[in-house]
Amino acid sequence: EDQVTQSPEALRLQEGESSSLNCSYTVSGLRGLFWYRQDPGKGPEFLFTLYSAGEEKEKERLKATLTKKESFLHITAPKPEDSATYLCAVKGANSKLTFGKGITLSVRP
Amino acid sequence: NAGVMQNPRHLVRRRGQEARLRCSPMKGHSHVYWYRQLPEEGLKFMVYLQKENIIDESGMPKERFSAEFPKEGPSILRIQQVVRGDSAAYFCASSPRQGLTTYEQYFGPGTRLTVT
Repeated sequence: EDQVTQSPEALRLQEGESSSLNCSYTVSGLRGLFWYRQDPGKGPEFLFTLYSAGEEKEKERLKATLTKKESFLHITAPKPEDSATYLCAVKGANSKLTFGKGITLSVRP
Repeated sequence: NAGVMQNPRHLVRRRGQEARLRCSPMKGHSHVYWYRQLPEEGLKFMVYLQKENIIDESGMPKERFSAEFPKEGPSILRIQQVVRGDSAAYFCASSPRQGLTTYEQYFGPGTRLTVT
């Protein structure tokens, strides 16, 4: 069974303080690893898809990387508007996404 | 370019009543997925549908829950005889197609079901 573990559960940063969010996974036949952002009371917003170990993708202050067992979401010089819950999910041989519980990020001004 | 639409956004039902949740996928998307999010839990897959077909319902409870995606109209997730444990946020996602290439799933705003 596919599994995703995200850590830490919560992270509090000062504005400008860079950090990384971790996503560990086990999956049979990885078809993609996905990062989403979710704001309170809203649906997940797609950020990145990574397909193979060594792949990296960037968008503004966010950079996602992938190894055979983990993915990291690096946040460089975060701003208060980056505060949200970040979700990691994997897609294996079947069609469903298996999600982790998410990491709640708070960025203080 | 409208995104995934869900309605209602909030739904309150008494125990024993029926709940109907609707989802219209993004334009050009023919695949729909339903997920449930309980407080302090991650999103859990329920069912995957294409037009007029249920492809994978492995995450759907065997009783009281059903889903459809008719040829015309939105996808419907139906919960009969709701119980308090059904209180959750229900999210619909859509993608263009599946197959050898993996496409991202885009999520709607969710329906928050409260059972009193």
